[in-house]
Amino acid sequence: QQQVKQSPQSLIVQKGGISIINCAYENTAFDYFPWYQQFPGKGPALLIAIRPDVSEKKEGRFTISFNKSAKQFSLHIMDSQPGDSATYFCAASGPQGGNKLTFGGGTRVLVKP
Amino acid sequence: ETGVTQSPTHLIKTRGQQVTLRCSSQSGHNTVSWYQQALGQGPQFIFQYYREEENGRGNFPPRFSGLQFPNYSSELNVNALELDDSALYLCASSTGQPNTEAFFGQGTRLTVV
Repeated sequence: QQQVKQSPQSLIVQKGGISIINCAYENTAFDYFPWYQQFPGKGPALLIAIRPDVSEKKEGRFTISFNKSAKQFSLHIMDSQPGDSATYFCAASGPQGGNKLTFGGGTRVLVKP
Repeated sequence: ETGVTQSPTHLIKTRGQQVTLRCSSQSGHNTVSWYQQALGQGPQFIFQYYREEENGRGNFPPRFSGLQFPNYSSELNVNALELDDSALYLCASSTGQPNTEAFFGQGTRLTVV
């Protein structure tokens, strides 16, 4: 059972444009929502994370928007750069501790120069 | 780099064989989680070890087993390998505190032929 659904599977954006990736979750016990960036041949690296007590978090060009009632959250990449070309994963974990992460299926982002 | 190291980086095994993958956690981390990432998919949680004890398991059969050592490094063992076990195996280390960052290694690419 896929508890975190991610869309789109891939997207192409021009340099300087905005990339938007959406995720929806089912388990209302989730209370931590990180986004990971993965380059080919590398492990995922944490990009930004949010907890459900806030509706938005911004770090540099990356912003998470969170809608608790809709059980949805999204990643916005502003001023997209070719170096942002990677696969992005949303994830979620619950209060049981220990960061047992449930990942979405991933979005492959290609930023064209 | 995250300080989480995995070995080997690649290996090829024959169906029915057994394999052991290794992970050295980041200094100060007592929790190691293992994930399986099939090609083009998000990582799937296999199990987690906290202070040498299994602390949660995903939907994987018993032929997937693990171990954590007193220095908090960890092993993932897979018996009776099947073709579908071909994947990138990731380990992630963390402090064990809820909703804190998990640091991933670069993964071990396992191919079963």
